Amino acid sequence: NAGVMQNPRHLVRRRGQEARLRCSPMKGHSHVYWYRQPPEEGLKFMVYLQKENIIDESGMPKERFSAEFPKEGPSILRIQQVVRGDSAAYFCASSPPNRVNTGELFFGEGSRLTVL
Amino acid sequence: DQQVKQNSPSLSVQEGRISILNCDYTNSMFDYFLWYKKYPAEGPTFLISISSIKDKNEDGRFTVFLNKSAKHLSLHIVPSQPGDSAVYFCPTYNTDKLIFGTGTRLQVFP
Repeated sequence: NAGVMQNPRHLVRRRGQEARLRCSPMKGHSHVYWYRQPPEEGLKFMVYLQKENIIDESGMPKERFSAEFPKEGPSILRIQQVVRGDSAAYFCASSPPNRVNTGELFFGEGSRLTVL
Repeated sequence: DQQVKQNSPSLSVQEGRISILNCDYTNSMFDYFLWYKKYPAEGPTFLISISSIKDKNEDGRFTVFLNKSAKHLSLHIVPSQPGDSAVYFCPTYNTDKLIFGTGTRLQVFP
C-alpha cells in the first residue's frame, strides 16, 4: 500500500506564475489535509477536504489559493500569481474515515515551492 | 481555544540516555493526545498517542505520559538513539484538524 504521494517534489516558479501541487492520498483514504511550512517555521494548517467537498478552509488565504479533491484523481492545491512569500514546503496528509477523530494522519514527503 | 505549548525549542541527549519531551496544554477537551516526529525534508510521521482516559501508553522505546490534572503531556524515549534526532510535535486536535506548534528539536549524540 503506497503512502501519500505528492508531486512535484520540487517546483520553481517566477513571481506571477501559477503553481499546482498534487496529492494522491493512501488507498482507502477519503480525507485530505494540506499544510504549509515556511522556512524556519512550524507547519500551518491550510485546508481539509473530503471527496468533492471542502470541509474546513480556515487556514487558506482568501486570495490566490484554492484547493480541490475531485471524485476521481488527486487533490490539487493551486496558487495563482505566486509571490516570494509563497516559498515553502507544502505537505499533504490523508486519513481513512474511521480514523479522522483520532488525529492520526499520514503525511506525504512534501512539495517544495521556490519563488524567484 | 485549545492550545498546546512546547516550551523547549531544542534538547540534546547522549546516546543511550533518556530523552524527555514535554508539552503543556491549556484546555483538556481532547480525546487523544499525539506525538509526531519529523525529519528534515520529510513529512511528519505519527509516533504514538494516548487516550484522554489513560495516563500512560508504551510502545517499545517510546512512552507517553498524560497528567490531566497538571495539563501536561510528555514523551520518554529510552534508550535514545542517533536515529531519534528529529523535531517532535505534540499537535492539538481542533474540531477537525491538527494544529502544530513549532516543535522541539531533539539531537542525540554518540
